[in-house]
Amino acid sequence: QVQLVESGGGVVQPGRSLRLSCAASGFIFSRNVMHWVRQAPGKGLEWVAVISHDGSNQYYADSVKGRFTISRDNSKNTVYLQMNSLRVEDTAVYYCAKRGVEMATIVEIDYWGQGTLVTVSS
Amino acid sequence: DIVMTQTPLSLSVTPGQPASISCKSSQSLLHSDGKTYLHWCLQKPGQPPQLLIYAVSNRFSGVPDRFSGSGSGTDFTLQISRVEAEDVGLYYCMQSLHLPGTFGGGTKVEIK
Repeated sequence: QVQLVESGGGVVQPGRSLRLSCAASGFIFSRNVMHWVRQAPGKGLEWVAVISHDGSNQYYADSVKGRFTISRDNSKNTVYLQMNSLRVEDTAVYYCAKRGVEMATIVEIDYWGQGTLVTVSS
Repeated sequence: DIVMTQTPLSLSVTPGQPASISCKSSQSLLHSDGKTYLHWCLQKPGQPPQLLIYAVSNRFSGVPDRFSGSGSGTDFTLQISRVEAEDVGLYYCMQSLHLPGTFGGGTKVEIK
């Protein structure tokens, strides 16, 4: 079965960096587009970044562009989110998610990980 | 960015009764391939979101048939024919026609 396990969250001061990891299993990772989506405490869902199956293309939300970098290592079935120049407003649970195909239809997010909490505070 | 607007913000439902959630997008979600990229997910308390419905009306694997989706263009509806206690949580619509994918603000469903 599909498993997405995030790690790397924690408490960090504003302006510092953090790298999140998401280990995937149960599907052919190298064939799948991967996403990061976040949820601030008590708030809704905000898409953060997406990376193509081979890592050649990335796209970011305006709120993180220039500060966050999504990458992947297909040999390790892992996707990463490097977060630099962190702000208080980046505090959130960060979810890793995968794209799927159902009945010949691209489903942008079909499975989500459990999430990892990032708290940016002085 | 495409703006997704959900109503109502919250819903209190008696078990066994129906429930309906509306989602409107700021532009049509119909792709040139003929498919409409509107999906619904449910976030149960303390859990990550889970996919319920994809491409307007298709139930994802394992989703009970009391859940159904309908709509076209910019107006969409999620219906639960008979609400059960396990259906409580936050329901989100999501568009994936254009990046960035955007979510509705969520509808909280509670049991009376």
